[in-house]
This record gives sequence, structure tokens and C-alpha cells, in this order.
Amino acid sequence: ILNVEQSPQSLHVQEGDSTNFTCSFPSSNFYALHWYRWETAKSPEALFVMTLNGDEKKKGRISATLNTKEGYSYLYIKGSQPEDSATYLCAPSGLTGGGNKLTFGTGTQLKVEL
Amino acid sequence: DGGITQSPKYLFRKEGQNVTLSCEQNLNHDAMYWYRQDPGQGLRLIYYSQIVNDFQKGDIAEGYSVSREKKESFPLTVTSAQKNPTAFYLCASSKLGGNEQYFGPGTRLTVT
Repeated sequence: ILNVEQSPQSLHVQEGDSTNFTCSFPSSNFYALHWYRWETAKSPEALFVMTLNGDEKKKGRISATLNTKEGYSYLYIKGSQPEDSATYLCAPSGLTGGGNKLTFGTGTQLKVEL
Repeated sequence: DGGITQSPKYLFRKEGQNVTLSCEQNLNHDAMYWYRQDPGQGLRLIYYSQIVNDFQKGDIAEGYSVSREKKESFPLTVTSAQKNPTAFYLCASSKLGGNEQYFGPGTRLTVT
């Protein structure tokens, strides 16, 4: 079983704080790195798919970076808002099969308080 | 509206019974997936399919079966051989080539 580790497991921040999470994964057989946001009572929703070492992607206040050589990705949220409260999942693909096969971490649960 | 539907949202079964979870998509995606979520664990892949009439086992396929007779549909059967079937089941679909996956709302199965 290949380990995909996310830290921290959970995080409480105040509205307006900036925060970041880490996803680490085995760097061999890597194809792509996916980030998903999973809000309570909703379906997981894709944030980013990154493939190249040094890739940076941004969507509004959320951005992500990728280091495929050392096997990690960071997700940043600038100026957190209550609507950012969710579980953030990372999933590299290709570790145990083709590019479509994702291996999910256990997620970082973010709670943004007023 | 394009998307993925799963039904039912909640399902209760007695131990020893097989049960089939439905997953339908109208996104014209070639690939479809079934995942299981348990408390404290990441989503784990049960089965996936990249083309009609073909599917592959994921990491935890034992006790499950699938079929892919139509591009739009990928039902999952939880058989009586599955030792711990109570879980939350998510279906997803994607274009081929490692693209983002689109998830359904999930089915929570309780077996007593």
C-alpha cells in the first residue's frame, strides 16, 4: 500500500487568516496530482490537477504548488472565509496503475471561524 | 444539467443479502469509478472502468462486483462475501487521460 499523507489532519483558523496544507506521496510512477474540496453534505469537487514539477495553479484565493522530485504538494488559502470550511483531499495518480487511478490521502479538515 | 446521479441516498440491508448501488452519468465520460469511504480513511478505489464492457479491480475489490454494459451506467453490487459492507460509497467519472474526476452525491449503505 502506497502512503499518501496529508497534514495537518485538521485545522481551525479565524476568518482572514491564511493557511496551508501539505500532501506528500511516493515520487516514483507519478502521473498527476489532484486536489479536491469536499464540503459537508456535498460531493468532492476538483480544485486542481497538476502534472509538472514546479507547477503552480491558482483559483481565486486558493493556490497549489507541486514538487514531483521530492513528492509533495502544498495547498494555500489566502484570507480564509467561512465558506472555505471543508475537507481538502489530495490524490496522486499513476502510483498503482494508469493515469486515471487515484490514491487518496485522508484529507485535511479546515474549519474557518468568524 | 450534466452530472452524476447515485441512488438511493441511504440504503439498509440485512446481512447475507446482495445489494446493488446505482450510478449514472450524462457527461459522456469514458471512465467511471467506485470508491468507498470509512471513518478516518481516505477514499479507497473498489473498481474502475475505462470503456464499456471492460473494468478493472481497484485496491479493495473483494466482495464487490460491477458491470459496464452502457457508457452512462456503472452499477456496483455489494455481495454477501463483503465482510464489512457498511460504508459510504461514492461513484465518479472522468475523461480518459488522468483528468479530474466528477463525483456523485454518494450512497450510505448500512448492513445489520
